[in-house]
Amino acid sequence: QVQLQESGPGLVKPSETLSLTCTVSGGSISSQSYYWGWIRQTPGKGLEWIGSMKFRGDTHYNPSLGSRVTISLDTSKNQLSLRMTSVTAADTAVYYCGRDPGTRITLFGEVLSRLCRFDPWGQGTLVTVSS
Amino acid sequence: DVQMTQSPSSLSASVGDRVTITCQASQDITNYLNWYQQKPGKAPKLLIYDASNLMTGVPSRFSGRGSGTHFTFTITNLQPEDLATYYCQQYDTITLTFGQGTRLEIK
Repeated sequence: QVQLQESGPGLVKPSETLSLTCTVSGGSISSQSYYWGWIRQTPGKGLEWIGSMKFRGDTHYNPSLGSRVTISLDTSKNQLSLRMTSVTAADTAVYYCGRDPGTRITLFGEVLSRLCRFDPWGQGTLVTVSS
Repeated sequence: DVQMTQSPSSLSASVGDRVTITCQASQDITNYLNWYQQKPGKAPKLLIYDASNLMTGVPSRFSGRGSGTHFTFTITNLQPEDLATYYCQQYDTITLTFGQGTRLEIK
């Protein structure tokens, strides 16, 4: 079955850029059947969706994170990546990657692709923002 | 964003008990709701999708129901391995949001 594994630095300095990678095994990241996303978890804010994208498809980000976040897919390595700029202590969290099968809804006669759920998740990686 | 409010925030129950967790959405989300289980030190695991559909391999003692703004998650015949925090998550809007979690302790 598909498995996901996050990796990256555990410590990032304030104002710098956080970069994480999620390696996918047992499935292809270029599949048109799935979105691939990032979620983070903090004691204060709980679980927070960061963003998701589909290969050669749409990309969605949480507006609360503004333009600081970029998600990308590397099909040659079967990896997805997260880049978050100008980090602060508030970005200290456990970061997870996950697979989302997406869903289709019909709204006013138009069929729309929609994010829906994460299964499975990676094991998570703790990132601390501190000088 | 759609706000998801879970209650209670924590509860304690005995093996064999029936426990119910509630998730209230700030607007009508139809049945676009999922439930996750997170055991200590582990990643969340999807248990129920579309409000009431059990994921393959998940024990039938777990169930969910509801639509619109009010949803419930129930565990019947509580087992020691059900010690975890449970989260609801909506996908009615593009911005996915989670409830704050319900911590379940076993007496």
